[in-house]
Amino acid sequence: RKEVEQDPGPFNVPEGATVAFNCTYSNSASQSFFWYRQDCRKEPKLLMSVYSSGNEDGRFTAQLNRASQYISLLIRDSKLSDSATYLCAVRALSGYALNFGKGTSLLVTP
Amino acid sequence: DARVTQTPRHKVTEMGQEVTMRCQPILGHNTVFWYRQTMMQGLELLAYFRNRAPLDDSGMPKDRFSAEMPDATLATLKIQPSEPRDSAVYFCASRAAAQETQYFGPGTRLLVL
Repeated sequence: RKEVEQDPGPFNVPEGATVAFNCTYSNSASQSFFWYRQDCRKEPKLLMSVYSSGNEDGRFTAQLNRASQYISLLIRDSKLSDSATYLCAVRALSGYALNFGKGTSLLVTP
Repeated sequence: DARVTQTPRHKVTEMGQEVTMRCQPILGHNTVFWYRQTMMQGLELLAYFRNRAPLDDSGMPKDRFSAEMPDATLATLKIQPSEPRDSAVYFCASRAAAQETQYFGPGTRLLVL
């Protein structure tokens, strides 16, 4: 069982829709949490960090639930340009490396 | 606009050949990571260095893979001998000492025939 798990999707949503992804992690000592975005045949790029208090960046909201060991990403008013794979990443208390989920594929359609 | 660079961007080789991939981290970043991405396994950590010292290479097949950082501006990942199952995209990433964000290079797409 992977340490970080995501629903691979694909999530097909119309423009303007709200979509949410969850990601679960197994290591309760995990310290830092992130959402990365990866476009087809490109490298992952940081979308946002996830803080204990939750955080929002425009149409994107990320939340952390330590008790249930999951993080979530909410995208409001989806745009065609949001179509991508969204990877969650978790860093343990010790070390600097990230454990990534396999990603959730999002396709926003006209 | 500082970026991680990787060479080559694409590599096609035959089974048994040696493959060397290179990475130039962002200037001033002291932690360098090597990841491998496949459809089946997703993005997996192979090894990483901090201040050029190897900290973790537990994700790397030791018999055929080796990673080095000969200086602060160059990290290398070598596969010898290569096998078809090594076909994947290999990403290098770097981060600064006091920051969490990892910046990824464009990757090396490796196909071993």
